[in-house]
Amino acid sequence: GENVEQHPSTLSVQEGDSAVIKCTYSDSASNYFPWYKQELGKRPQLIIDIRSNVGEKKDQRIAVTLNKTAKHFSLHITETQPEDSAVYFCAASIEGSGRDDKIIFGKGTRLHILP
Amino acid sequence: DAGVIQSPRHEVTEMGQEVTLRCKPISGHNSLFWYRQTMMRGLELLIYFNNNVPIDDSGMPEDRFSAKMPNASFSTLKIQPSEPRDSAVYFCASSRLAGGYEQYFGPGTRLTVT
Repeated sequence: GENVEQHPSTLSVQEGDSAVIKCTYSDSASNYFPWYKQELGKRPQLIIDIRSNVGEKKDQRIAVTLNKTAKHFSLHITETQPEDSAVYFCAASIEGSGRDDKIIFGKGTRLHILP
Repeated sequence: DAGVIQSPRHEVTEMGQEVTLRCKPISGHNSLFWYRQTMMRGLELLIYFNNNVPIDDSGMPEDRFSAKMPNASFSTLKIQPSEPRDSAVYFCASSRLAGGYEQYFGPGTRLTVT
């Protein structure tokens, strides 16, 4: 089955700097890659996702890149702000029929934005 | 829509007692997921349903855990008997379909077993 590895487990960056979180997946059939943000004491919420037919997607200060050949994808946050402090989860799943299409989450990255 | 609804929000119980967690998914969503979250193990998928049918329960830790979805608007996760190591936050999530769609999480149930 699918396996998703996420690194680093903890990341501290100075406010205003960029943060990068990386994930790898094992199943080449995976074609949907969402990222969730979980603030302290709250539920995980989707912040951005990418499908395998594109290599990059941006939404204001966040972007996700996908390398299907290497089977890895990354989350980039630019101009970090205090409210970016949270745990970020990457995930992978297969959108399609006849396969086990459950979503597999990485272990999460705790991002600290330092003042 | 009110989003995914879970109850109770907090549960404190003694070891050996039965615990039942409840979830109401978003109307129109066909897939429902139960997750457990702890500091040590992160976010673990316990079981998921498609159209009320359990598809994958390989994440259910042991026979003490069971889940049902009698209809499209209600699901339960039961632990009997409960143990201290079951203490965690349990999330329910729903999505249009299992793969390729955003999952909407409920607020979670914080379970403490003493």
